[in-house]
Amino acid sequence: QAVLTQPSSLSASPGASASLTCTLHSGINVATYRMYWYQQKPGSPPQFLLRYKSETDKQQGSGVPSRFSGSKDASANAGILLISGLQSEDEADYYCMVWHNSAVMFGGGTKLTVL
Amino acid sequence: QITLKESGPTLVKPTQTLTLTCTLSGFSISTIGEAVGWIRQPPGKALEWLALIYWDDDKRFSPSLKTRLTITKDASKTQVVLTLTNVDPVDTATYHCAHAGNSKDWAFDYWGQGTLVTVSS
Repeated sequence: QAVLTQPSSLSASPGASASLTCTLHSGINVATYRMYWYQQKPGSPPQFLLRYKSETDKQQGSGVPSRFSGSKDASANAGILLISGLQSEDEADYYCMVWHNSAVMFGGGTKLTVL
Repeated sequence: QITLKESGPTLVKPTQTLTLTCTLSGFSISTIGEAVGWIRQPPGKALEWLALIYWDDDKRFSPSLKTRLTITKDASKTQVVLTLTNVDPVDTATYHCAHAGNSKDWAFDYWGQGTLVTVSS
């Protein structure tokens, strides 16, 4: 079982909100992890969006709009990237990341389609 | 302004050693709280973290690739070098280097454009 699991795809309409989930392996508790989120558009390297552990331990990437935010769903053992007011330019691949046992783990990525 | 640029061969034969260089600008790998990591991405697939080196020469490696990876830094040349031994066609990927710092809790906040490496005989 992978450490981080993301749905492979998600579709949403312009102006709506999209919740991208990143589920942690059942053996590790999302509450204890900082979760990092990246956006990648075709032909470009990933861009750091934000990191989130709690409402008192979070950080936005430089120049990243506030409509990108993080949260957690403890019952699902998952981190969430919430994108509000979806725009066509938000269509991209999104990756979650954690530091686990002194190593970096990436999720498999979610392809967000805005249509 | 922090920038990173990867360089190295575009084509490598199976069983050979791949050596990639990341040239840094806008920061020093010798400064306390700085680090550089390597991440790769096979065509059409997900990101895979490989290795990271800290300012104090501490190093971290992907558990699945640890035995094949080496990472070093040359602060005077502002470079970080990654080597991957005994390459296989599955190692075909775009290889990125990225900056991480303790000011952002080790997020990869600046990335190079990446270099595509193909492993083929």
